Amino acid sequence: DAGVIQSPRHEVTEMGQEVTLRCKPISGHNSLFWYRQTMMRGLELLIYFNNNVPIDDSGMPEDRFSAKMPNASFSTLKIQPSEPRDSAVYFCASRIQGAADGELFFGEGSRLTVL
Amino acid sequence: GESVGLHLPTLSVQEGDNSIINCAYSNSASDYFIWYKQESGKGPQFIIDIRSNMDKRQGQRVTVLLNKTVKHLSLQIAATQPGDSAVYFCAENLRAAGYSTLTFGKGTMLLVS
Repeated sequence: DAGVIQSPRHEVTEMGQEVTLRCKPISGHNSLFWYRQTMMRGLELLIYFNNNVPIDDSGMPEDRFSAKMPNASFSTLKIQPSEPRDSAVYFCASRIQGAADGELFFGEGSRLTVL
Repeated sequence: GESVGLHLPTLSVQEGDNSIINCAYSNSASDYFIWYKQESGKGPQFIIDIRSNMDKRQGQRVTVLLNKTVKHLSLQIAATQPGDSAVYFCAENLRAAGYSTLTFGKGTMLLVS
């Protein structure tokens, strides 16, 4: 299996631009998570999906952030408009969630720099 | 040691020494715990896990200890190698309303010289 695949790996954009980050979870995993990592705040959970349905988006910073999961093999995290404080590494992760939860597999991350 | 929500501590060890990384978790209802290793520029990678009905689990060169009384988790790495240099995170799994999430600590940086 190729693991969790994220794109782009790096993105540099200017304040006010729209940013779209993409994720392909591991086939067969039914839960998908978006995390943001910064030095100041560590790994923060933004939103997670179970069977393509958003379960908890309380970690999404504000209305500028949105996430979708149109099918079991694809999710997007969108920031519009982007701001310099959004600069971070964004990780997508997936797992099998059931009676006994399994480990969470992470992608390599998307490093976002907003100038 | 590390605690969820605090600064990133650093542990420096010599090659061949045993390393112990500590973590204080926050929720007594957490039922599953995982240690992750993150190398520079990469995503976190699974090292070892433990369920709340256990107090010790061993892997290859790594051991995780769980003390639910004081909500403490530790990761022991035997014969530490330069390739072990990374940031290590503990994560606690909490179920609510039939769903579960992993909450991560801030991490501990391990430097092996």
